[in-house]
This record gives sequence, structure tokens and C-alpha cells, in this order.
Amino acid sequence: GAVVSQHPSWVICKSGTSVKIECRSLDFQATTMFWYRQFPKQSLMLMATSNEGSKATYEQGVEKDKFLINHASLTLSTLTVTSAHPEDSSFYICSAREGTYEQYFGPGTRLTVT
Amino acid sequence: GNSVTQMEGPVTLSEEAFLTINCTYTATGYPSLFWYVQYPGEGLQLLLKATKADDKGSNKGFEATYRKETTSFHLEKGSVQVSDSAVYFCALKVTNAGKSTFGDGTTLTVKP
Repeated sequence: GAVVSQHPSWVICKSGTSVKIECRSLDFQATTMFWYRQFPKQSLMLMATSNEGSKATYEQGVEKDKFLINHASLTLSTLTVTSAHPEDSSFYICSAREGTYEQYFGPGTRLTVT
Repeated sequence: GNSVTQMEGPVTLSEEAFLTINCTYTATGYPSLFWYVQYPGEGLQLLLKATKADDKGSNKGFEATYRKETTSFHLEKGSVQVSDSAVYFCALKVTNAGKSTFGDGTTLTVKP
């Protein structure tokens, strides 16, 4: 089956620094990737949708200058949390899709900002 | 707009008990419906899906039937195991190219 990986699986960073999370589709070409944030009460919030080679489309209320998304290739998308603060601590999950096929999820990245 | 409402958790059951997690939806058009499972510390995995009315999705002993008349897609399993302990998400997608809409998730804990 299709596999999506994320790196790192967990990261701790200091307040004010930036951190980059990678999402890779390992055995298919991800024409579309999605970035989600999962809050402690489990709800999954879609942050943005990115199509390869295009600018990401952000959901309402998501700061695009804070959460930089790059989808430069068909197998890699990155999410950079800039000037991170403790309230950015969360579980970030990406998912990827080839064309209109199934959407596959990565294992998630736990970000803790101290 | 589209929305998914799931039964609130947490749900705690004894091993071999019958499981039902309710899910109802509101959507424009004809959505595909999904159940995802998230084990502790992991991402989401597709558990089962149904793409049209009256379809039944099934996997690993879980099943759900797409009921258009009641706009529901309830998840059931006849005999749960401790290893089924996880968070379950109901979701819909209106078009193949569309983004998915998720419910809030239901935590299931199965005790031996």
C-alpha cells in the first residue's frame, strides 16, 4: 500500500526558533498534500492544501506567514513553523494523494515548543 | 457546508463486547464516507469506506453501511479486542478531488 512518512516524528524547540517538518510519499506521486493539526481533544484541523508546484491554499484562520508550506516536488512537502511559540505545540499530520485517488496519512510529528 | 457528527466519547468496553460508534453527516451532493483509526502516537489509517448509498464497508471485523435516508455511517464490530483501543474518525469527501471533512473522533478503550 501507499506509504507516507514524516520527519521528524517528534521535535522540541525553543520559543522564537523555527522548525521544519517533512512529509514524503514513498511509493507514489503526491500531486496534492494536506497538512493537519491535531489538538489535545483529538479533533483534526485542516491547515492547508498544497498542489505540487503551486502555492498552498490555507484554511481560514491559519497564518500563512507563520506556517510556511512548500510542495516543490511530487514526493516532498514541508511545513515550517516560524518563530514558534508554546501555543504552537501540537501534533502535526500530513496526508498525500495522487490525483483523485485515496488520501494516505503520515504518522504525525509531535512538536513541543519550550 | 459539509459536516460530520460523531458520537462523543470516550467509549469503554470489555473485551468481546459489541461496539457501535454513531456517525451522521451533512453534505451537499453525494459524498464518499470513511472511517479512519488512529492508534496511540500514530497517524490515521483508513479502516473502511463506502462510496454510494447502501454500500457496506468492512475491514478487520469492523463494518459500516452508508445510509442515505438517515445520513448515517455507523461503525460496528461484533466482538472488540484490547488491540482495537484507538481513536476512530468518521469522515466524508464530496468529490474525488475534494478535501475531507472529519468528525471530532471517538476514543475507544477496550479492557481485558
